[in-house]
Amino acid sequence: NAGVTQTPKFRILKIGQSMTLQCTQDMNHNYMYWYRQDPGMGLKLIYYSVGAGITDKGEVPNGYNVSRSTTEDFPLRLELAAPSQTSVYFCASSYSKASGRHEQYFGPGTRLTVT
Amino acid sequence: AQSVTQPDIHITVSEGASLELRCNYSYGATPYLFWYVQSPGQGLQLLLKYFSGDTLVQGIKGFEAEFKRSQSSFNLRKPSVHWSDAAEYFCAVPNDYKLSFGAGTTVTVRA
Repeated sequence: NAGVTQTPKFRILKIGQSMTLQCTQDMNHNYMYWYRQDPGMGLKLIYYSVGAGITDKGEVPNGYNVSRSTTEDFPLRLELAAPSQTSVYFCASSYSKASGRHEQYFGPGTRLTVT
Repeated sequence: AQSVTQPDIHITVSEGASLELRCNYSYGATPYLFWYVQSPGQGLQLLLKYFSGDTLVQGIKGFEAEFKRSQSSFNLRKPSVHWSDAAEYFCAVPNDYKLSFGAGTTVTVRA
Protein backbone atom coordinates (compact mmCIF):
# COMPACT_ATOMS: atom_id res chain seq x y z
CA ASN A 1 0.00 0.00 0.00
CA ALA A 2 1.41 3.34 -1.05
CA GLY A 3 -1.37 5.17 0.84
CA VAL A 4 -1.90 8.71 -0.44
CA THR A 5 0.55 9.98 -3.02
CA GLN A 6 0.90 13.53 -4.33
CA THR A 7 2.79 15.03 -7.21
CA PRO A 8 4.70 17.22 -7.61
CA LYS A 9 6.52 17.73 -4.31
CA PHE A 10 7.56 21.28 -5.15
CA ARG A 11 6.51 23.79 -7.78
CA ILE A 12 7.15 27.43 -8.56
CA LEU A 13 4.51 29.21 -10.64
CA LYS A 14 4.39 32.66 -12.12
CA ILE A 15 1.33 34.80 -11.43
CA GLY A 16 -1.45 33.91 -13.86
CA GLN A 17 -0.18 30.43 -14.69
CA SER A 18 -2.26 27.32 -14.11
CA MET A 19 -1.40 23.90 -12.81
CA THR A 20 -2.89 20.67 -11.51
CA LEU A 21 -1.85 19.03 -8.28
CA GLN A 22 -2.25 15.28 -8.48
CA CYS A 23 -3.50 13.05 -5.67
CA THR A 24 -3.99 9.29 -5.71
CA GLN A 25 -4.96 6.87 -2.97
CA ASP A 26 -4.94 3.08 -3.08
CA MET A 27 -7.02 2.35 0.02
CA ASN A 28 -10.39 2.38 -1.78
CA HIS A 29 -11.54 5.29 0.37
CA ASN A 30 -14.68 7.10 -0.68
CA TYR A 31 -13.81 10.39 1.02
CA MET A 32 -11.00 12.57 -0.26
CA TYR A 33 -9.95 16.07 0.76
CA TRP A 34 -7.69 18.92 -0.23
CA TYR A 35 -6.28 21.13 2.51
CA ARG A 36 -3.88 24.03 2.43
CA GLN A 37 -1.49 24.77 5.25
CA ASP A 38 -0.28 28.27 6.01
CA PRO A 39 2.07 29.13 8.88
CA GLY A 40 0.24 29.58 12.19
CA MET A 41 -3.12 28.78 10.61
CA GLY A 42 -3.38 25.02 10.83
CA LEU A 43 -4.99 23.34 7.83
CA LYS A 44 -7.96 24.73 5.95
CA LEU A 45 -10.23 22.62 3.77
CA ILE A 46 -10.38 23.64 0.11
CA TYR A 47 -12.58 20.96 -1.45
CA TYR A 48 -13.73 17.49 -0.57
CA SER A 49 -15.36 14.54 -2.29
CA VAL A 50 -17.60 11.81 -0.94
CA GLY A 51 -17.20 9.55 -3.95
CA ALA A 52 -16.56 9.45 -7.67
CA GLY A 53 -18.48 12.20 -9.42
CA ILE A 54 -19.35 14.08 -6.21
CA THR A 55 -17.41 17.09 -4.97
CA ASP A 56 -18.18 20.04 -2.74
CA LYS A 57 -16.57 23.23 -1.51
CA GLY A 58 -14.78 23.54 1.78
CA GLU A 59 -13.78 26.65 3.70
CA VAL A 60 -11.45 28.26 1.14
CA PRO A 61 -12.43 27.14 -2.40
CA ASN A 62 -11.89 30.39 -4.32
CA GLY A 63 -9.30 30.07 -7.06
CA TYR A 64 -9.41 26.27 -7.14
CA ASN A 65 -11.33 23.53 -8.92
CA VAL A 66 -11.52 19.79 -8.45
CA SER A 67 -12.86 16.72 -10.19
CA ARG A 68 -13.34 13.12 -9.11
CA SER A 69 -13.75 10.76 -12.04
CA THR A 70 -12.44 7.70 -10.19
CA THR A 71 -12.31 6.52 -6.59
CA GLU A 72 -8.52 6.69 -6.61
CA ASP A 73 -7.81 10.16 -8.03
CA PHE A 74 -8.70 13.63 -6.83
CA PRO A 75 -6.76 16.33 -8.72
CA LEU A 76 -6.78 19.98 -7.63
CA ARG A 77 -6.66 22.61 -10.35
CA LEU A 78 -5.32 26.12 -9.84
CA GLU A 79 -6.42 28.59 -12.46
CA LEU A 80 -4.71 31.98 -12.74
CA ALA A 81 -2.29 31.47 -9.86
CA ALA A 82 -1.97 34.33 -7.36
CA PRO A 83 0.64 34.98 -4.64
CA SER A 84 -2.06 34.27 -2.04
CA GLN A 85 -2.02 30.65 -3.22
CA THR A 86 1.54 30.19 -2.04
CA SER A 87 1.10 27.41 0.48
CA VAL A 88 1.63 23.73 1.24
CA TYR A 89 -1.17 21.58 -0.14
CA PHE A 90 -2.18 18.28 1.41
CA CYS A 91 -4.43 15.64 0.00
CA ALA A 92 -6.11 13.24 2.42
CA SER A 93 -8.50 10.33 2.27
CA SER A 94 -10.69 8.43 4.70
CA TYR A 95 -13.15 5.56 4.81
CA SER A 96 -15.94 7.82 6.03
CA LYS A 97 -16.56 11.44 6.89
CA ALA A 98 -14.54 12.92 9.75
CA SER A 99 -17.32 12.58 12.31
CA GLY A 100 -17.58 8.90 11.45
CA ARG A 101 -14.55 8.18 13.63
CA HIS A 102 -12.28 7.07 10.84
CA GLU A 103 -8.93 8.80 10.61
CA GLN A 104 -7.81 10.73 7.60
CA TYR A 105 -4.65 9.60 5.86
CA PHE A 106 -2.48 12.37 4.47
CA GLY A 107 -0.15 12.58 1.53
CA PRO A 108 3.34 14.11 1.83
CA GLY A 109 2.25 17.49 0.51
CA THR A 110 3.03 19.80 -2.40
CA ARG A 111 4.90 23.01 -1.63
CA LEU A 112 3.75 25.68 -4.08
CA THR A 113 5.25 29.12 -4.52
CA VAL A 114 3.60 31.73 -6.74
CA THR A 115 5.80 34.67 -7.70
CA ALA B 1 -19.24 24.10 14.96
CA GLN B 2 -16.66 22.37 17.08
CA SER B 3 -13.22 23.90 17.33
CA VAL B 4 -9.91 23.36 19.08
CA THR B 5 -7.33 25.80 20.33
CA GLN B 6 -3.65 25.15 20.85
CA PRO B 7 -2.37 27.92 23.15
CA ASP B 8 1.34 27.24 22.61
CA ILE B 9 2.84 28.15 19.26
CA HIS B 10 6.32 26.89 20.05
CA ILE B 11 7.83 24.73 22.79
CA THR B 12 11.49 23.91 23.33
CA VAL B 13 12.34 20.86 25.37
CA SER B 14 15.58 19.08 26.24
CA GLU B 15 16.10 15.55 25.02
CA GLY B 16 15.01 13.13 27.74
CA ALA B 17 12.71 15.65 29.39
CA SER B 18 8.94 15.31 29.50
CA LEU B 19 6.66 17.08 27.06
CA GLU B 20 3.08 18.27 27.36
CA LEU B 21 1.18 19.97 24.55
CA ARG B 22 -2.10 21.68 25.27
CA CYS B 23 -5.34 21.42 23.34
CA ASN B 24 -8.64 22.96 24.39
CA TYR B 25 -11.90 22.16 22.68
CA SER B 26 -15.19 23.99 22.49
CA TYR B 27 -18.16 21.67 22.36
CA GLY B 28 -20.91 20.83 24.81
CA ALA B 29 -21.12 17.10 24.27
CA THR B 30 -18.23 14.67 24.32
CA PRO B 31 -16.23 15.35 21.18
CA TYR B 32 -14.12 13.07 19.08
CA LEU B 33 -10.54 14.34 19.24
CA PHE B 34 -7.37 13.60 17.33
CA TRP B 35 -3.69 14.41 17.61
CA TYR B 36 -1.59 14.45 14.44
CA VAL B 37 2.15 14.96 14.03
CA GLN B 38 3.90 16.51 11.06
CA SER B 39 7.63 15.85 10.82
CA PRO B 40 9.66 18.31 8.74
CA GLY B 41 8.83 17.95 5.06
CA GLN B 42 6.29 15.21 5.71
CA GLY B 43 2.55 14.80 5.72
CA LEU B 44 0.46 14.44 8.83
CA GLN B 45 0.42 11.18 10.75
CA LEU B 46 -2.17 10.20 13.33
CA LEU B 47 -0.71 9.85 16.83
CA LEU B 48 -3.89 8.94 18.69
CA LYS B 49 -7.62 9.49 18.83
CA TYR B 50 -10.34 9.72 21.46
CA PHE B 51 -13.97 8.82 20.94
CA SER B 52 -15.34 7.74 24.30
CA GLY B 53 -14.59 5.52 27.26
CA ASP B 54 -11.21 5.54 28.96
CA THR B 55 -10.04 9.13 29.21
CA LEU B 56 -6.35 8.20 28.95
CA VAL B 57 -5.51 7.26 25.40
CA GLN B 58 -2.28 5.61 24.28
CA GLY B 59 -0.86 6.36 20.89
CA ILE B 60 2.14 5.61 18.73
CA LYS B 61 5.72 6.72 19.37
CA GLY B 62 5.19 6.62 23.15
CA PHE B 63 2.62 9.43 23.25
CA GLU B 64 -0.51 9.53 25.35
CA ALA B 65 -3.31 12.04 25.81
CA GLU B 66 -5.84 12.62 28.53
CA PHE B 67 -9.37 13.85 27.96
CA LYS B 68 -10.59 16.11 30.78
CA ARG B 69 -14.15 17.24 30.43
CA SER B 70 -13.95 19.59 33.42
CA GLN B 71 -11.14 21.52 31.72
CA SER B 72 -12.30 21.05 28.11
CA SER B 73 -8.84 19.76 27.36
CA PHE B 74 -7.13 16.94 25.51
CA ASN B 75 -3.45 17.40 26.27
CA LEU B 76 -0.74 15.32 24.65
CA ARG B 77 2.14 14.01 26.73
CA LYS B 78 5.35 12.09 26.40
CA PRO B 79 7.47 11.13 29.42
CA SER B 80 10.86 11.31 27.71
CA VAL B 81 11.41 13.17 24.46
CA HIS B 82 13.73 11.97 21.73
CA TRP B 83 15.38 14.20 19.13
CA SER B 84 13.14 12.62 16.49
CA ASP B 85 10.09 14.10 18.24
CA ALA B 86 10.97 17.52 16.85
CA ALA B 87 7.93 18.25 14.70
CA GLU B 88 4.71 20.19 14.51
CA TYR B 89 1.74 18.79 16.40
CA PHE B 90 -1.89 19.39 15.59
CA CYS B 91 -4.99 18.80 17.61
CA ALA B 92 -8.13 18.26 15.52
CA VAL B 93 -11.85 17.77 15.93
CA PRO B 94 -14.31 16.52 13.29
CA ASN B 95 -17.00 18.81 11.95
CA ASP B 96 -19.23 16.54 9.90
CA TYR B 97 -17.24 15.88 6.71
CA LYS B 98 -14.02 17.64 7.66
CA LEU B 99 -11.43 17.95 10.36
CA SER B 100 -10.95 21.31 12.04
CA PHE B 101 -7.37 21.77 13.13
CA GLY B 102 -5.74 23.89 15.76
CA ALA B 103 -2.98 26.26 14.66
CA GLY B 104 -0.34 23.74 15.69
CA THR B 105 2.52 23.64 18.20
CA THR B 106 6.08 23.40 16.97
CA VAL B 107 8.36 21.34 19.21
CA THR B 108 12.10 21.91 19.18
CA VAL B 109 14.29 19.36 20.94
CA ARG B 110 17.67 20.51 22.20
CA ALA B 111 20.50 18.14 22.95
